[in-house]
This record gives sequence, C-alpha cells and structure tokens, in this order.
Amino acid sequence: AQSVTQPDIHITVSEGASLELRCNYSYGATPYLFWYVQSPGQGLQLLLKYFSGDTLVQGIKGFEAEFKRSQSSFNLRKPSVHWSDAAEYFCAVGDDDKIIFGKGTRLHILP
Amino acid sequence: GAGVSQSPSNKVTEKGKDVELRCDPISGHTALYWYRQSLGQGLEFLIYFQGNSAPDKSGLPSDRFSAERTGGSVSTLTIQRTQQEDSAVYLCASSSFGGPFYEQYFGPGTRLTVT
Repeated sequence: AQSVTQPDIHITVSEGASLELRCNYSYGATPYLFWYVQSPGQGLQLLLKYFSGDTLVQGIKGFEAEFKRSQSSFNLRKPSVHWSDAAEYFCAVGDDDKIIFGKGTRLHILP
Repeated sequence: GAGVSQSPSNKVTEKGKDVELRCDPISGHTALYWYRQSLGQGLEFLIYFQGNSAPDKSGLPSDRFSAERTGGSVSTLTIQRTQQEDSAVYLCASSSFGGPFYEQYFGPGTRLTVT
C-alpha cells in the first residue's frame, strides 16, 4: 500500500527564516504528490502538486517543493516565512482514485 | 461560487447513539470523498463516490460506518452505535472528476464528540 511519512510532528521557525518540511513517500510508479495546508479554523487548501515534468514545483503563498525520486522525497520549502504561515501541513500521495495523507507537520512561528 | 458545505459543524452524542453527517459538494462535481481526522493521525480516507459507480468503501473502519450519495449530489455519512474512538473531525471533499489528477476541495468539517 502507498504511504506518506512526515517525520516532524512539530517545527518551530522564526518569522523571516527559511522553512523546509520533510515528506517521504512509498509508491511503486511515478507518484502524484501534493502538499495541503490547514490553517486554524480553515479548511484544507491545496498548496501545490506534482504529476510529472519539472521536479521543482511552485505553489501558492510563495511555497515550492522538489520531487527527488532517488530519495523518495517531496520536501516543501519557503525562503522566508510569515506569521500567517502558522498552520498544519500535510503531504499526500495519489493512490488509484484516492489520496493518502501523511499525519501532518504543525508549523509554529516565533515573532 | 459556493464551496463544499457540511452540517452540522459540531455534534455531541452519547455513546451508543447513531449519528448522520451531511455533505453538500460543489455543484457539478462528480466525485465525493469522506475523510476522518483524529488528533495526531492526519487524514484517514473513509469512502469515495464517483458518479453512478459503486463506491470505494475500502477505508471504512467497521460495519458501523456507512455512507450514501443521493442523486449524485448530497452525501450522508452514518455512524451507528457510536463509540468514543469515533470522536474526530469528519471532512468531506469533492472534485470535478475522480482520481488524484483533479483537485479536491474540502469542506470545513464536522467535529464529532462521543461522550
């Protein structure tokens, strides 16, 4: 079965610092990969997705992610975080007709 | 336009009672998904509807859980004889077509508390 691992349950960074959230997936073929964000009191929102082609994908809110097949990774990055980025972030992989989500990483921002 | 809506937003029920959770997908979306989000467990897939096809029920945790989708639109998730471990946020999502290629749009969820 396909699976997604987000090794960090919590991450704390200072406002203005760079961010990298880790994600590793288990999938036999070329995966469909996603990052979603869930802000307090908000629904889940798609940040970006990778299906094929360029391994560096750009998303909304200044986020990007890089697909590395050799490492089975799809890490999310942002050069400079804002206080409004405090949220829970979910990595996910497409599996047939559905999406399998990781357990999430909660991002805390220090002023 | 209107997004995915879910009702109720909060539900408190006693152990052993049945509950029904409702999802109104985006108009015209043929695919509908239910997920469960428990504390520290991420999103757990429950069931998937695509058009008039038989639903994918592979994620339902027990036979106390069932769901239907009437007229290809509104969906109801029913939990019978609720248990405390059923306490979670239940999320519904819809997409224009089934499969991971099409973006899923999520509702705000129903927070279920079983006392």
